[in-house]
Amino acid sequence: GQQVMQIPQYQHVQEGEDFTTYCNSSTTLSNIQWYKQRPGGHPVFLIQLVKSGEVKKQKRLTFQFGEAKKNSSLHITATQTTDVGTYFCAYNAGNNRKLIWGLGTSLAVNP
Amino acid sequence: GAVVSQHPSWVICKSGTSVKIECRSLDFQATTMFWYRQFPKQSLMLMATSNEGSKATYEQGVEKDKFLINHASLTLSTLTVTSAHPEDSSFYICSAAGAFFNSPLHFGNGTRLTVT
Repeated sequence: GQQVMQIPQYQHVQEGEDFTTYCNSSTTLSNIQWYKQRPGGHPVFLIQLVKSGEVKKQKRLTFQFGEAKKNSSLHITATQTTDVGTYFCAYNAGNNRKLIWGLGTSLAVNP
Repeated sequence: GAVVSQHPSWVICKSGTSVKIECRSLDFQATTMFWYRQFPKQSLMLMATSNEGSKATYEQGVEKDKFLINHASLTLSTLTVTSAHPEDSSFYICSAAGAFFNSPLHFGNGTRLTVT
């Protein structure tokens, strides 16, 4: 069925190191959304990308949408302990507004 | 920004009882709300899509008679777990969609259900 692969599943970094999570699809995506879920919390929308090759930045976070619109990445520069959580990518699959979710990448940051 | 309120945040109930979870969009009208279930360290599993004024659409494998969904107004959807069993213990999260097709989802804080 429809799915989007997200890697890595887990990442453990030292504070100050960079972090990247990747989202890959075998089919062309109309859009990609990224969410962050803190431990014990609920997903919070970060950003949406819709254009081929689009790059958006939010402070230390950089989001990219591939030229073929089949992959996306989230890069965090100089991680901080506040970046701890699980990052999910998701996309709209059809006209019913359902989101198809990646399995998430859990980020742990050592202070 | 858009706010979705979910209540209760946590609930402990005895096996065989029913539990109702409310999801409200506080500052926008949500024609569509989604109910998710999440097990520890796993992704979100969509249970059903709730549309205001019509029957919910359930995902494959989700029992509609066990997980009753009512979306009576543009700001309120409820999920009732009927005859709860310990295996129903989980984190239930609702989300509401904005007006436009690609609008991001706004999530409630979730309800942690423990069935003893």
